[in-house]
Amino acid sequence: DVKVTQSSRYLVKRTGEKVFLECVQDMDHENMFWYRQDPGLGLRLIYFSYDVKMKEKGDIPEGYSVSREKKERFSLILESASTNQTSMYLCATRSGGRGISFGSGTRLTVV
Amino acid sequence: GESVGLHLPTLSVQEGDNSIINCAYSNSASDYFIWYKQESGKGPQFIIDIRSNMDKRQGQRVTVLLNKTVKHLSLQIAATQPGDSAVYFCAEIPLNTNAGKSTFGDGTTLTVKP
Repeated sequence: DVKVTQSSRYLVKRTGEKVFLECVQDMDHENMFWYRQDPGLGLRLIYFSYDVKMKEKGDIPEGYSVSREKKERFSLILESASTNQTSMYLCATRSGGRGISFGSGTRLTVV
Repeated sequence: GESVGLHLPTLSVQEGDNSIINCAYSNSASDYFIWYKQESGKGPQFIIDIRSNMDKRQGQRVTVLLNKTVKHLSLQIAATQPGDSAVYFCAEIPLNTNAGKSTFGDGTTLTVKP
């Protein structure tokens, strides 16, 4: 089974802080994704990457950036956290014609 | 644009009953679908998938039905147990196009009463 590991389950950060959410996968998958999940809005794609150093904007990239220096690691960066970025963040991976595998999520609260 | 939606936001069933959770999709070219289960505070877990060249697939206690004519997907859970209580959502995953174009339903919260 694919293992997608998110470094933190819960985070509390202050407004204006720079926040790093880390994600590591162990299956050499090409594609990695960051989603946020909010009640009533479902999963929304922030950014995805289909290869090392490659990235593409998803549906809601504003206020976020990403980094993929190694194939197994995909980082989501909040340059200056705001309260409207309080959410559940889900990292995911995919390889070829298969489904998307998710991490356990990071619940971020910005105060 | 494309969308994937679930018919009911909540479903409550008695333990031992069968559960049916529904999903409608809008993209007639969709070729691969997945049902996920998400327990409170956890990430979504893969339950079962189905490709568009099939209309039914069975797993352990779960069955997915695909009706391409009306663009409808359903998840059936047999003999529902308290451990089945979770949010269930469907996903449409394009097989041969941009990986970022997957779409997800909002979810149905299944509650199993003992």
